[in-house]
Amino acid sequence: AQSVAQPEDQVNVAEGNPLTVKCTYSVSGNPYLFWYVQYPNRGLQFLLKYITGDNLVKGSYGFEAEFNKSQTSFHLKKPSALVSDSALYFCAVNEYSSASKIIFGSGTRLSIRP
Amino acid sequence: EAGVAQSPRYKIIEKRQSVAFWCNPISGHATLYWYQQILGQGPKLLIQFQNNGVVDDSQLPKDRFSAERLKGVDSTLKIQPAKLEDSAVYLCASRNQGATNEKLFFGSGTQLSVL
Repeated sequence: AQSVAQPEDQVNVAEGNPLTVKCTYSVSGNPYLFWYVQYPNRGLQFLLKYITGDNLVKGSYGFEAEFNKSQTSFHLKKPSALVSDSALYFCAVNEYSSASKIIFGSGTRLSIRP
Repeated sequence: EAGVAQSPRYKIIEKRQSVAFWCNPISGHATLYWYQQILGQGPKLLIQFQNNGVVDDSQLPKDRFSAERLKGVDSTLKIQPAKLEDSAVYLCASRNQGATNEKLFFGSGTQLSVL
């Protein structure tokens, strides 16, 4: 069965510093990996996805994520954090061979201090 | 492009009462999902539709939850009777076709409080 883990409930970063939000996954086949962001009282918004090809994926708002097959990880990164990046971030996995079932992680709250 | 529409935005009910949520996906999106998001947790899939057929409802508590998508467009999710542990945000999402590499579009959700 597929699963996804976000080991950190909260990440705190100073504005202007680089940030990393961690995600590891488990699937039996090839994974499709996603990051979504949730602002207060809003639904989830798509940030970026990894399907195949280049291991470094670029997405919205200056975010990027690195796919590492050997470590089964898909960490979200940004070179310079903004206060407006403060939100809840979810990693999700969709197994290539499954019937479009998408599994979400438990989420990581990112807090950027001025 | 119009997004995924959900209503109501908030609902407060007493335990053992019934409640219904409505979702209208993005036009042309064949796949529709209902997720339950309990505070502090990630979204949990309740049911997935492809057009008007159910693809996956393995995590839907069928003794109290039901969902339909009769014409393959909008959908309703019902809880009857509600329990305290059903307090959560119910998110509807849609996806173009059923391609597993396509992103989901989410509505703003319905926040349910069961007292």
